[in-house]
Order: sequence, then C-alpha cells, then structure tokens
Amino acid sequence: GENVEQHPSTLSVQEGDSAVIKCTYSDSASNYFPWYKQELGKRPQLIIDIRSNVGEKKDQRIAVTLNKTAKHFSLHITETQPEDSAVYFCAASTTGANNLFFGTGTRLTVIP
Amino acid sequence: DGGITQSPKYLFRKEGQNVTLSCEQNLNHDAMYWYRQDPGQGLRLIYYSQIVNDFQKGDIAEGYSVSREKKESFPLTVTSAQKNPTAFYLCASSTTGGDQPQHFGDGTRLSIL
Repeated sequence: GENVEQHPSTLSVQEGDSAVIKCTYSDSASNYFPWYKQELGKRPQLIIDIRSNVGEKKDQRIAVTLNKTAKHFSLHITETQPEDSAVYFCAASTTGANNLFFGTGTRLTVIP
Repeated sequence: DGGITQSPKYLFRKEGQNVTLSCEQNLNHDAMYWYRQDPGQGLRLIYYSQIVNDFQKGDIAEGYSVSREKKESFPLTVTSAQKNPTAFYLCASSTTGGDQPQHFGDGTRLSIL
C-alpha cells in the first residue's frame, strides 16, 4: 500500500517568516494530496488539496506544490501568524482507493 | 464541520467493559471512517465503510467493532479486548472513495478508569 513520510516533525518560525513542510509518497498511482490543519484538541480541517494534473495550487498565504517525478509534495505558508500554530498532516490517495494515507504530522510553532 | 457529530466528547471505560462511540453525519456522504490518534501521533485507520451494510478493517482493527446499518451512522465499539484504549477517536466522512476530501467530527476522548 501507499507509504507517506512527512518532515520535519516539528518546526518553529518567527512570525512573518515562511514555513515549508515536505511529504514523500511511494505509490506512483497516487493522484490526490490533501493537507489538514489540527489545532490542539480539535478536529483536523482541510486547508488545501491538489490533484496530480496540476503542479501548484495557491490559496492566499498557503500553497502546495507537487513533483510527480520525485513523488513529493510540499506545503508552503507565507507571512506566518501565531494562529498558524498547529499540527499539519499531509495525505495521499488514488482514484479507486478506499481511504487516505496520512503522514505522521508536523507541529508548527509561530513565535510572536 | 457541523455535518459530522461525534458523541460523547469524553468517555471513561472500566476494566472489561465495552463502550460505543457515536458518529452521525448529515452530509449525505457514502464513505465513513474511524481513526485513532495517540498523543503527538498521526492518524491511524481503525475501520472504514464505503456503503451501507459493508465495512472493512483498517490498520489497527483488533479490539474494535463497527456497524453501518444506516448511511448517516457509523458507531464504533471499543471492546474489552482492546487493552490500550486510551486515545482520541476521530470519525470522518467523504462523498465516496479515498480520493475525496474527508470531513472530520470533533472527536471523542476515551480514558480508562
């Protein structure tokens, strides 16, 4: 099955700086890559997703890039704010699969 | 997402007791999922269901059971066979299949008395 690895496990940045979280996947058939944000004790919430027919997608301060050849995708957060502090999970799946495969998460801390 | 309701928010289990966690959705989603999350850890899949009256084991199904009698409901029973049940349990749903966004409930925190 699919194996998703996520790095780093923890990340601290100064407010206003950028943060980058990287994930790799093993199944070349994977074609759907969502990112979830989970604040402490809360539900994971989808913040952005990308399908394999595009290489990059942006939504305000958040962007995701996908390199299908290298089988990795990344989350970019610009102009970070304290409210960006949370655990971020990447995931991967393919058409016809029964579920998402999640990475182990990155705890992002934005220092005011 | 207001469309998925998990209850209770907190649950305590005594030794040898089975407990059932509720998950209800009004999003008209076909697929539903149960995950376990341990402190500082990722999401591990317990069970999933793509359609009513059908469900499959995930990565850590031992000690758990589910049913899917209605499209809206996917309860999870933590049996006495699950020796380490203390965790945060999350229910999710999606339109169909694994390549769709999953919407999560607020979770149930289960502890042992």
